[in-house]
Amino acid sequence: GAVVSQHPSWVICKSGTSVKIECRSLDFQATTMFWYRQFPKQSLMLMATSNEGSKATYEQGVEKDKFLINHASLTLSTLTVTSAHPEDSSFYICSAVVNLANEQFFGPGTRLTVL
Amino acid sequence: GNSVTQMEGPVTLSEEAFLTINCTYTATGYPSLFWYVQYPGEGLQLLLKATKADDKGSNKGFEATYRKETTSFHLEKGSVQVSDSAVYFCALSSGGSNYKLTFGKGTLLTVNP
Repeated sequence: GAVVSQHPSWVICKSGTSVKIECRSLDFQATTMFWYRQFPKQSLMLMATSNEGSKATYEQGVEKDKFLINHASLTLSTLTVTSAHPEDSSFYICSAVVNLANEQFFGPGTRLTVL
Repeated sequence: GNSVTQMEGPVTLSEEAFLTINCTYTATGYPSLFWYVQYPGEGLQLLLKATKADDKGSNKGFEATYRKETTSFHLEKGSVQVSDSAVYFCALSSGGSNYKLTFGKGTLLTVNP
């Protein structure tokens, strides 16, 4: 089946620093990738939708200047959390699709802890 | 707006027990309904789906029926195995595609031998 990887799987950083998370589709080309955020014992919440070669579309309430998304190729999207603060600590999950009519394939997630 | 409410866990069962995880939803229009499973250390995987009322999704012994009258999509399995231990997420998408999934909070299932 289709495989999506995320790197790193976990990261700890100091408050005020920036952290980049990578999402890769390993065996297919993804025209669209999605970024989700999950708090403990909460639902996955869609943060943004990124399409290769264009600007990401952010969900209401998500700060686009804080969560920078770059979908530079058909197999790679990155999420950069800028000037991270403890409240940004969360589990970040990406998914990828060949096209919007197809199943989303999810990465294993990245645990971010901001001290 | 759309929302999904699913049974809070954790759920602990013995092998070969019957499983039900309840899921109800609120949505505009006619959503598609999904169950995803997340095994330890892995990404969410689509377990089954149903796209219209009275449809039954099934996979790996799991079943769920799209009940429009009760706005429910309960997950069932007649005889669980230790390998079924995972977190299960109910989800919906409106507009008839996988786009913009709305998830429940997830239910942790542990099956003991």
